[in-house]
Amino acid sequence: KNEVEQSPQNLTAQEGEFITINCSYSVGISALHWLQQHPGGGIVSLFMLSSGKKKHGRLIATINIQEKHSSLHITASHPRDSAVYICAVPNSGGSNYKLTFGKGTLLTVNP
Amino acid sequence: EPEVTQTPSHQVTQMGQEVILRCVPISNHLYFYWYRQILGQKVEFLVSFYNNEISEKSEIFDDQFSVERPDGSNFTLKIRSTKLEDSAMYFCASSEATGLNENTIYFGEGSWLTVV
Repeated sequence: KNEVEQSPQNLTAQEGEFITINCSYSVGISALHWLQQHPGGGIVSLFMLSSGKKKHGRLIATINIQEKHSSLHITASHPRDSAVYICAVPNSGGSNYKLTFGKGTLLTVNP
Repeated sequence: EPEVTQTPSHQVTQMGQEVILRCVPISNHLYFYWYRQILGQKVEFLVSFYNNEISEKSEIFDDQFSVERPDGSNFTLKIRSTKLEDSAMYFCASSEATGLNENTIYFGEGSWLTVV
C-alpha cells in the first residue's frame, strides 16, 4: 500500500503570500491527485497529474516521479483559499481513483 | 457546473439499523465511487462501481456494505447493520473515465452518518 505524507500539517499565511504544500509517497504511481476540502466538508478535485506541471489560475501543481514528490503552489493567496488541501495517490495495482489519501494540510490565509 | 448530489446530508441512526445513502452522479459519467472520512481522520476509499458491478473495493468494504445502481440515475451505499465505528462522512464521486488524461472526478458534498 502506498504511504502518503504531506507537509506542513498546518499553514498560516497573510493574504498575497506564495504558498507551497508538499506531498511525498512511497510507491511509484501513474498519477497523483490534489484535492481541496472546504470548511463545510465538500471535496473538489484540483489536479490529476502524471508528470511535469499543471496550472489552473493561481494554482500550480508539480510532480517529480523519480523522487516520488509533488508540490502544490498557490500564488497571491487569498482568504478564500483557506481550506484543507489533500494529496492522494492510487493504491498499487488499482485504478487512478482507488486512492490513498494524505492527512491534508490546513491552510489559513488571513486578510 | 455539473454536480454530484447526495442525500441525506446528515443522518442519525441507532446501532444495528440499516442505512441507505443516496447519490445522483453526473449524468454522463460511467464510474462511481464511495469514500468515507471518519472525523479527524484521512479520507478512505471504499468502493468503485462500473457497468453495474463493483470494480474495486477496499478492506473496509466488508459484507455489511453493499452498493447498487437501482435505476439510471441513483447510486446507493447500504450499510446493513450499523456500528458505532461507521460514524463518518460518506462521499460519493463520479468520473467520466479513469485514464491518465482525464481529470473528471467530481465529489458530492457528503452525507454525515452518526450512529448512536
